[in-house]
Amino acid sequence: GIQVEQSPPDLILQEGANSTLRCNFSDSVNNLQWFHQNPWGQLINLFYIPSGTKQNGRLSATTVATERYSLLYISSSQTTDSGVYFCAVERNTGTASKLTFGTGTRLQVTL
Amino acid sequence: NAGVTQTPKFRILKIGQSMTLQCAQDMNHNYMYWYRQDPGMGLKLIYYSVGAGITDKGEVPNGYNVSRSTTEDFPLRLELAAPSQTSVYFCASRLGAGGYGYTFGSGTRLTVV
Repeated sequence: GIQVEQSPPDLILQEGANSTLRCNFSDSVNNLQWFHQNPWGQLINLFYIPSGTKQNGRLSATTVATERYSLLYISSSQTTDSGVYFCAVERNTGTASKLTFGTGTRLQVTL
Repeated sequence: NAGVTQTPKFRILKIGQSMTLQCAQDMNHNYMYWYRQDPGMGLKLIYYSVGAGITDKGEVPNGYNVSRSTTEDFPLRLELAAPSQTSVYFCASRLGAGGYGYTFGSGTRLTVV
């Protein structure tokens, strides 16, 4: 099956710093999503981005499908950004296609 | 618009007990999924459904059963609970395959003792 690798596995930032999280995947995909799992365990959908660039406030994401990677940018980080960021991809094989998750990047933002 | 609603949020089971995790969505989504997340790991697919009356196994189906009698509801049944089923369970839905993003519920934290 498709492999998803995220880097770095752990990241500690001071409030106000910027960061870039990377997601590499082993095959062409039809769907790529970034999720934030907050410290309470809730999984929040950040971006649906199989290709191109999107921005939402301090967050933006870019997927280069031809080179099989996606980047999540966090600018002016805040303590509420802490948690685990997951990249998940899907290769469309019809009804049997499923979302495959990476192991995540754990982000801690300190004061 | 509630999205995907999971109940209960927390549950402790004794080994050998059974329970049903409830999942309901109000977005008229055809596809629904059950995932489990073990500590420090990503999510793994247990079962999924592409419409009422249709279900299929994911990566880790053993020890679980599902049914889909309506578009809105997709309950997950645990029979004879085991400690290995201690995990956080997430239900998700989407409108269809290809080109549609997933919406996740807030999860059910299950401990089997």
